[in-house]
Amino acid sequence: NAGVTQTPKFRILKIGQSMTLQCAQDMNHNYMYWYRQDPGMGLKLIYYSVGAGITDKGEVPNGYNVSRSTTEDFPLRLELAAPSQTSVYFCASRQGQGVTDTQYFGPGTRLTVL
Amino acid sequence: GNSVTQMEGPVTLSEEAFLTINCTYTATGYPSLFWYVQYPGEGLQLLLKATKADDKGSNKGFEATYRKETTSFHLEKGSVQVSDSAVYFCALRDNTGNQFYFGTGTSLTVIP
Repeated sequence: NAGVTQTPKFRILKIGQSMTLQCAQDMNHNYMYWYRQDPGMGLKLIYYSVGAGITDKGEVPNGYNVSRSTTEDFPLRLELAAPSQTSVYFCASRQGQGVTDTQYFGPGTRLTVL
Repeated sequence: GNSVTQMEGPVTLSEEAFLTINCTYTATGYPSLFWYVQYPGEGLQLLLKATKADDKGSNKGFEATYRKETTSFHLEKGSVQVSDSAVYFCALRDNTGNQFYFGTGTSLTVIP
């Protein structure tokens, strides 16, 4: 199994550009998450989804959008990129039930906005 | 609201030293508590967890006990190894079971 995959690994954007960060999981997990990790800081939740067709805001949703049309995919859209969105972005998934329920993280996307 | 506070780093220890990383939390209801580890260039991995008061989570020689009276979940290991060098994050899962809140992370370096 590939687990949680994210593309791209690195990206440099200019201010005002848009892009989509891709996230996919092959574990048939119900829950998926997007976090950002700023230097020296913990992870902040941007958006999450409890199943296909259902999304909800986390702590820091401004400037981002998500969709969840399938169980496997959970893309994160940045519209009008700003320097404040320079960060490392992690996607995660979890089943959401059972004693082994835990989050599995992707390897991250390092985004720089100049 | 929900939040996690963990001790500032970085922490540098000699091999075989005792490790404690403090973590306290604020939450409504009865959260689940977690420790995650992040190795350089990688995503986070679950290290251990506890889902109710007085539970002890353990894995790879690391332990943490869910203390409701002190709202704490301190991470301990009796004898650290060079391979334990990483960043450690304390986290809670809120009462709804949907959202996670992370501390700022503590960088650990173990020297031979």
